[in-house]
Amino acid sequence: EVQLVESGGGVVRPGGSLRLSCAASGFTFDDYGMSWVRQAPGKGLEWVSGINWNGGSTGYADSVKGRFTISRDNAKTSLYLQMNSLRTEDTALYYCARVGTFYYDSSGYPAFNWFDPWGQGTLVTVSS
Amino acid sequence: QSVLTQPPSVSAAPGQKVTISCSGSSPNIGKNSVSWFQQLPGTAPKLLIYDNNKRPSGIPDRFSGSKSGTSATLGITGLQTGDEADYYCGTWDGSLSAGVFGGGTKLTVL
Repeated sequence: EVQLVESGGGVVRPGGSLRLSCAASGFTFDDYGMSWVRQAPGKGLEWVSGINWNGGSTGYADSVKGRFTISRDNAKTSLYLQMNSLRTEDTALYYCARVGTFYYDSSGYPAFNWFDPWGQGTLVTVSS
Repeated sequence: QSVLTQPPSVSAAPGQKVTISCSGSSPNIGKNSVSWFQQLPGTAPKLLIYDNNKRPSGIPDRFSGSKSGTSATLGITGLQTGDEADYYCGTWDGSLSAGVFGGGTKLTVL
């Protein structure tokens, strides 16, 4: 059974840091790109970041660019999200998701399209 | 404001059919495939449709997807009370170089 289990969420002050982890099992991890998607309380889905199978290509939403870093350890079948300079607007449930298709878009940027499956999420609360 | 536009809510009676629209533009839906997700209350999103009209294994054929130009549509037939959920469309936006989602549509089965 394909499974994604996130951890590392918690309460942090504005300006603080947090590192999220996602443990993958049930599939060949290094065959797939991976992404983080977040959902603020009562709000919709927001794509945060993506990484290709070997970590050589990454992408970020403008809202987190320069503050968040995605990485992976294929030997540990794990995905990570290092979050620095956290803001109150980063408060959300953070989902780890396997990428359905990875390609380079017409601008030459790495593209991460459709996600399946998703983990259960880990809650990040940024508050003073 | 979401890049992709969905109606906030739709409703229909059990057994009936409903469609949910997703409107975008050239850099997103116009150039990339669309996916659809179902989010039941308190749970993680679940993939319903990918590549505009393909269903993952285990998704019943009551769910269908289509795309035309810069818009996409999710159709659900034979509505059941268990279909009550939030539905999201998603795709890649080549102008933003980012994944994008619609704001979500809440389906009520009356």
